[in-house]
Amino acid sequence: AQSVTQLGSHVSVSEGALVLLRCNYSSSVPPYLFWYVQYPNQGLQLLLKYTSAATLVKGINGFEAEFKKSETSFHLTKPSAHMSDAAEYFCAVSEIQGAQKLVFGQGTRLTINP
Amino acid sequence: DAGITQSPRHKVTETGTPVTLRCHQTENHRYMYWYRQDPGHGLRLIHYSYGVKDTDKGEVSDGYSVSRSKTEDFLLTLESATSSQTSVYFCAIKEGGRTDTQYFGPGTRLTVL
Repeated sequence: AQSVTQLGSHVSVSEGALVLLRCNYSSSVPPYLFWYVQYPNQGLQLLLKYTSAATLVKGINGFEAEFKKSETSFHLTKPSAHMSDAAEYFCAVSEIQGAQKLVFGQGTRLTINP
Repeated sequence: DAGITQSPRHKVTETGTPVTLRCHQTENHRYMYWYRQDPGHGLRLIHYSYGVKDTDKGEVSDGYSVSRSKTEDFLLTLESATSSQTSVYFCAIKEGGRTDTQYFGPGTRLTVL
């Protein structure tokens, strides 16, 4: 079985500061890993994904994430936060083969302080 | 925008009544999914489909059924709605090939009184 743990249900940073959202996963098989973002009253938008190619993955809006197999982690970072980054962020895992049944973490709400 | 629409977008119903939610796609993707979103739980998979008339259960399928009689439509039915099914429901499709990524619809907010 697969599972995802996002450390911190709420994260608050100042505008211009580093954003770090933590995600640890459990999987008995090589995983695909995803980060999605959800703005208020909207659906989920893909930020980036890891599919067993490069371990450092760059996504949209200046976000990136690094797959660390030894730490079973896939943390999301952005060097400089912008007010528009305020949203809820979800980490998800799936198997590489088959139906890609996503297993999500509980989400992290990111607040940006002026 | 992956060409996904959901209807209705909002619904309020009473306990014990049947409810059907519709997901419609315009791009003939093979895989379609239904998830529910609840605070503290992220999203959880209810059912998914891998072709017309081909469906399978997800993590939280009890109390839900699905049907896919056409490639473009995936229906989620609550046979007898309960208050525990109050949630936001998201449909997703999976683009295949190199993309191999799920894209989500706008969601349906369901309230069961």
